[in-house]
Amino acid sequence: DARVTQTPRHKVTEMGQEVTMRCQPILGHNTVFWYRQTMMQGLELLAYFRNRAPLDDSGMPKDRFSAEMPDATLATLKIQPSEPRDSAVYFCASGLVLGGWGTDTQYFGPGTRLTVL
Amino acid sequence: SQQGEEDPQALSIQEGENATMNCSYKTSINNLQWYRQNSGRGLVHLILIRSNEREKHSGRLRVTLDTSKKSSSLLITASRAADTASYFCATDNGSGGSQGNLIFGKGTKLSVKP
Repeated sequence: DARVTQTPRHKVTEMGQEVTMRCQPILGHNTVFWYRQTMMQGLELLAYFRNRAPLDDSGMPKDRFSAEMPDATLATLKIQPSEPRDSAVYFCASGLVLGGWGTDTQYFGPGTRLTVL
Repeated sequence: SQQGEEDPQALSIQEGENATMNCSYKTSINNLQWYRQNSGRGLVHLILIRSNEREKHSGRLRVTLDTSKKSSSLLITASRAADTASYFCATDNGSGGSQGNLIFGKGTKLSVKP
């Protein structure tokens, strides 16, 4: 049963520290998404990749956030330096996007719950 | 920017009753999807309806789509306590040729009491 995996599941850190979140998308999926979920803002799209190339990262604060896909099995989201307002649950999702009438269904990982003190 | 808006924000019903959630969106779409999120978990895809479809069924789920009103509804029949979760609608951006990114609403929190 193919699943998106994320590590760590929980992270508590202090303001100013670097945080790296990792995601392993489902094998064969060509698109990877990073979302942030908070009570106030709901689910926000931060960035997404197609065939490992960044397509859109306009939802991401550029000064402190960076997202990469070093290879097809790993996507990373890094925050440096972290701030208390970054506290949220970060989800990775993957999908097979074919364009046109493609189904565009996304498969979500379990999330990383980040707390910045 | 917000595309889908679910209504109501919260819904509490008794087991066995039907639950109806609504979603409104702003721009044209290629398809609309509904996802469920259990507390502390990631979102799980439930059902997708294309813009040229009006109704779709999957088990106890029934989804309707009215593109003229830019709205969709999700009906869960004979609800169970296990249906307790948040439900989100998600739309694509409607541009010719899907880019794959979805825009999610803020969700309806459903509570089914045993």
